[in-house]
Amino acid sequence: QVQLQESGPGLVKPSQTLSLTCTVSGGSISSGNYYWSWIRQPAGKGLEWIGRIYTSGSTNYNPSLKSRVTISRDTSNNQFSLKLNSVTAADTAVYYCARTYCSGASCWDLDYWGQGTLVTVSS
Amino acid sequence: QSALTQPRSVSGSPGQSVTISCTGTSSDVGGYDFVSWYQQYPGKAPKIMIYDVSTRPSGVPDRFSGSKSGNTASLTISGLQADDEADYYCCSYAGSHTLIFGGGTKLTVL
Repeated sequence: QVQLQESGPGLVKPSQTLSLTCTVSGGSISSGNYYWSWIRQPAGKGLEWIGRIYTSGSTNYNPSLKSRVTISRDTSNNQFSLKLNSVTAADTAVYYCARTYCSGASCWDLDYWGQGTLVTVSS
Repeated sequence: QSALTQPRSVSGSPGQSVTISCTGTSSDVGGYDFVSWYQQYPGKAPKIMIYDVSTRPSGVPDRFSGSKSGNTASLTISGLQADDEADYYCCSYAGSHTLIFGGGTKLTVL
């Protein structure tokens, strides 16, 4: 059973860089037909897809965040990471990591999720 | 890219059926059969209930079903139970390797 766990600072100052890591257990992030995503949810609001990284290391990003986002991976520790720069209060949210299993052309559902971590942007 | 449109809330009595709609455009919901639905309890991570418009993952009760017509996808929950009360989000592939969510619907079991 694959498990995902987010970690990182819970408080980030405005204009700085938000950095989070997702540690995966029960499966390798560098093998198989999988994508590994980041999604966020401001308090009381809906979900927003941020982007994802494939087992090969290729990435896809939400166009509205693309200029500020980098998703990377550390295969030796079976982790993938999110960096979001120039943050503002609008980036305050619960951040989730999640997995997609690709079967044929079907490669867009999120079947396993981490529990989420709250990141607050404030001075 | 605008969020997919869902009703803010729906309600039903135990045993009844409810349907949650998710309206997009021909560039997302209407253009691809990659619509998924997620159930989220307060303070918890979302859980996948439907993918590829109408496929249920193993372990999801067959009371949950999905469909699509044109630019609108739907999630129907039949035989409503108290623990179905949650927020529900639709999600669709939106082309150019991007994903878009709906605004979410709060389901109340009366």
